[in-house]
Amino acid sequence: EPEVTQTPSHQVTQMGQEVILRCVPISNHLYFYWYRQILGQKVEFLVSFYNNEISEKSEIFDDQFSVERPDGSNFTLKIRSTKLEDSAMYFCASGGQEETQYFGPGTRLLVL
Amino acid sequence: AQSVTQPDIHITVSEGASLELRCNYSYGATPYLFWYVQSPGQGLQLLLKYFSGDTLVQGIKGFEAEFKRSQSSFNLRKPSVHWSDAAEYFCAVGARGSSGDKLTFGTGTRLAVRP
Repeated sequence: EPEVTQTPSHQVTQMGQEVILRCVPISNHLYFYWYRQILGQKVEFLVSFYNNEISEKSEIFDDQFSVERPDGSNFTLKIRSTKLEDSAMYFCASGGQEETQYFGPGTRLLVL
Repeated sequence: AQSVTQPDIHITVSEGASLELRCNYSYGATPYLFWYVQSPGQGLQLLLKYFSGDTLVQGIKGFEAEFKRSQSSFNLRKPSVHWSDAAEYFCAVGARGSSGDKLTFGTGTRLAVRP
């Protein structure tokens, strides 16, 4: 069964550094998402992406964040200058026409 | 704006007992509704979903959920819980008719299973 994959599974970085989180969505899906989950809190929407552009973003998704689909398979989330409060689990999800979103296993980001 | 409330933060049940996890949503029209499960350190696995039609939907691992429009609820049930069901359960709502719309999640219910 096809699944969403994410790399790395864990990332530790210093405050102020740039990080890129990578996702490979399910191959025939058209809609791509990033969510995050701060430890002990609920899953929060960050951004949705369709037809090579952002379709919606949350208040969290400020100028420090960007997304890209650099080729036909990868979908990346970049945080330009990480802050302590960016420490969280970041989930990528993808969806087809049926409005169901399938989530990857997540990348746990720790900012020191 | 859509929202989801899961009133129970923690629930403990004995293995073999029945389970019901509550979920109430707020949305202006009939939404898409989902239950996801998250095992410790793992991602979110889709248990079941409701889009339309029969209001009782069956999912994986023996779970089912019932959509009740009058109560704005989508409670998750299982007749007999197994120890492996211990996890965190998230209810989520998505906007109907908007392909690619975001999901809004509840705060989750952590399920513990007594042997």
